[in-house]
Amino acid sequence: DTEVTQTPKHLVMGMTNKKSLKCEQHMGHRAMYWYKQKAKKPPELMFVYSYEKLSINESVPSRFSPECPNSSLLNLHLHALQPEDSALYLCASSKETGGNTEAFFGQGTRLTVV
Amino acid sequence: GESVGLHLPTLSVQEGDNSIINCAYSNSASDYFIWYKQESGKGPQFIIDIRSNMDKRQGQRVTVLLNKTVKHLSLQIAATQPGDSAVYFCAESVYNFNKFYFGSGTKLNVKP
Repeated sequence: DTEVTQTPKHLVMGMTNKKSLKCEQHMGHRAMYWYKQKAKKPPELMFVYSYEKLSINESVPSRFSPECPNSSLLNLHLHALQPEDSALYLCASSKETGGNTEAFFGQGTRLTVV
Repeated sequence: GESVGLHLPTLSVQEGDNSIINCAYSNSASDYFIWYKQESGKGPQFIIDIRSNMDKRQGQRVTVLLNKTVKHLSLQIAATQPGDSAVYFCAESVYNFNKFYFGSGTKLNVKP
């Protein structure tokens, strides 16, 4: 199993809503990542979890709140988002935490904030 | 943060030709590089990687070249097929920093 599974695939939410994005991998990977990708742009790193602990926050606004309940799951809680937060949110995982093994990506959640 | 850029935003090739996609990186401390392929509506898909102790690595129909002197990375695709049409990103990381930074991407159009 070399898959990273993200749910939902599409999400439309209002600016006052609270929603969560979910990511799951069963490869035994110890590093998990959230990336944000705007149209025709490269993915931008948001958060990195290493051994279920938040190790990197790339100065992401607090309306995005990550959570790693266990080694297989990664969530991204969303609250009071703005229309400019509309993007493709990608989850990835890698075997090691040193940034020197390939990261496998999920198919992403297409988020639209209205 | 680190800057990873590409020279050509769009590349059009004829089916069967070889393609070369280039990437320049600015962080001389980067020691691990990956090429990803991203099709429309999908997540990035790993193609091939290379570590800084190598200057060339080959996969199936793909070759990655690394020139550390000029901080340049390239992806060569042999006998390009319509299914190769996608956006290609290079990504770099520094050992123990647990971050992957992506270049701006090149869109490859393969004409039948």
